[in-house]
Amino acid sequence: AAGVIQSPRHLIKEKRETATLKCYPIPRHDTVYWYQQGPGQDPQFLISFYEKMQSDKGSIPDRFSAQQFSDYHSELNMSSLELGDSALYFCASSLGVDEQYFGPGTRLTVT
Amino acid sequence: QKEVEQNSGPLSVPEGAIASLNCTYSDRGSQSFFWYRQYSGKSPELIMSIYSNGDKEDGRFTAQLNKASQYVSLLIRDSQPSDSATYLCAVKRSGAQKLVFGQGTRLTINP
Repeated sequence: AAGVIQSPRHLIKEKRETATLKCYPIPRHDTVYWYQQGPGQDPQFLISFYEKMQSDKGSIPDRFSAQQFSDYHSELNMSSLELGDSALYFCASSLGVDEQYFGPGTRLTVT
Repeated sequence: QKEVEQNSGPLSVPEGAIASLNCTYSDRGSQSFFWYRQYSGKSPELIMSIYSNGDKEDGRFTAQLNKASQYVSLLIRDSQPSDSATYLCAVKRSGAQKLVFGQGTRLTINP
């Protein structure tokens, strides 16, 4: 079965640079979620979109923004990167508010 | 106090035995409950979802929910070495999109 696709899988950026992470949900899924997981920590919810509209917001820094496009893929834009932004970033998708399925993640390293 | 609490472990269980993982939550508005398995450096993988009080069985896995006690558990029967992973309990409030995770329990199955 098709799964959530994320790109890139690994990303190395320097402080104050900008990064864009992409997420392609499972076909027919209409809701996309973004989570951040630091080393040894549990995933923390950032933001979600349902039918291209922001549906919920968590602890997402003002330096980050996201959107969902007409084909339901989503992008997380991160600016003025800080060392503390180094983490695994997961995208998940669901059909409505049903079970969330996670993608393989993007490992972001900020140096 | 975290919204979702788990014993971080490590929990060590002999192969073939039953592994019991526990989770408590503080928000009485929580309506949906999930167990995810996460191998080191990988993404969370959905194992079970449970929405009503009682037991739900799927193969070697049984989820148990007690809303009055704000308690959810996962039993793994006939534990295998491949079950060694971190198990994340996640909770979703009615009407909300985000999952709130516990800190995870690290489970080791000893051959």
